[in-house]
Amino acid sequence: DIQMTQSPSSLSASVGDRVTITCRASQTVTFYLNWYRQRPGKAPELLIFAASKLQSGVPSRFSGSGSGTDFTLTISGLQPEDFATYYCQQGYSNPVTFGGGTKVDIK
Amino acid sequence: EEQLVESGGGLVPPGQSLRLSCRGSGFIFGDYNVNWFRQAPGKGLEWVGFIRSRAHGGTADYAASVKGRFTISRDDSKRIAYLQMSSLKTEDSAVYSCTREAGLTSFDVWGQGTMVSVSS
Repeated sequence: DIQMTQSPSSLSASVGDRVTITCRASQTVTFYLNWYRQRPGKAPELLIFAASKLQSGVPSRFSGSGSGTDFTLTISGLQPEDFATYYCQQGYSNPVTFGGGTKVDIK
Repeated sequence: EEQLVESGGGLVPPGQSLRLSCRGSGFIFGDYNVNWFRQAPGKGLEWVGFIRSRAHGGTADYAASVKGRFTISRDDSKRIAYLQMSSLKTEDSAVYSCTREAGLTSFDVWGQGTMVSVSS
């Protein structure tokens, strides 16, 4: 199975901050990398697919980059609704696997 | 609105069975693969298995941790996918969610999940 490692596991930030989360795969996933936001008690929401494509309806403050094994999610201008846990997910090979999550809380 | 709604969760003793349902609305359910995930309290996301659309053969694959115990099926006429869970273990306790698989193995529609607790 492909292991996905996110860093940091948690961070504190303020509204308006720029936040960067990284995700590393144990082997190449080419561009089959997706990002999700999960608010407390809610289902995950797809933010970015194919490493850098913004899902329809997702605000443009979210962006993704990377390919192969190293990926980044950037939130430019954190909003109150962005205090949540973020997960990366590879879809390159079965089984689909997720990173351990990055919890973003209020500083 | 495109939506998935799970049902069927509950408290069961170890060794017993449970069947979860996932009903879709607002889109052509039969056109999509349906995946099941689970999330234990305070833990991350784990893929359980999926069933392909009829156009892609309608077959299912499973995570190693549930293979031989769980079975996924679908009834596209009712817009429902099922997760039949047998020989349940305490470590199967989690919130189970179904999802619609979009392009490049991303998951763009998620249900709210249904809680399964396995305990004596």
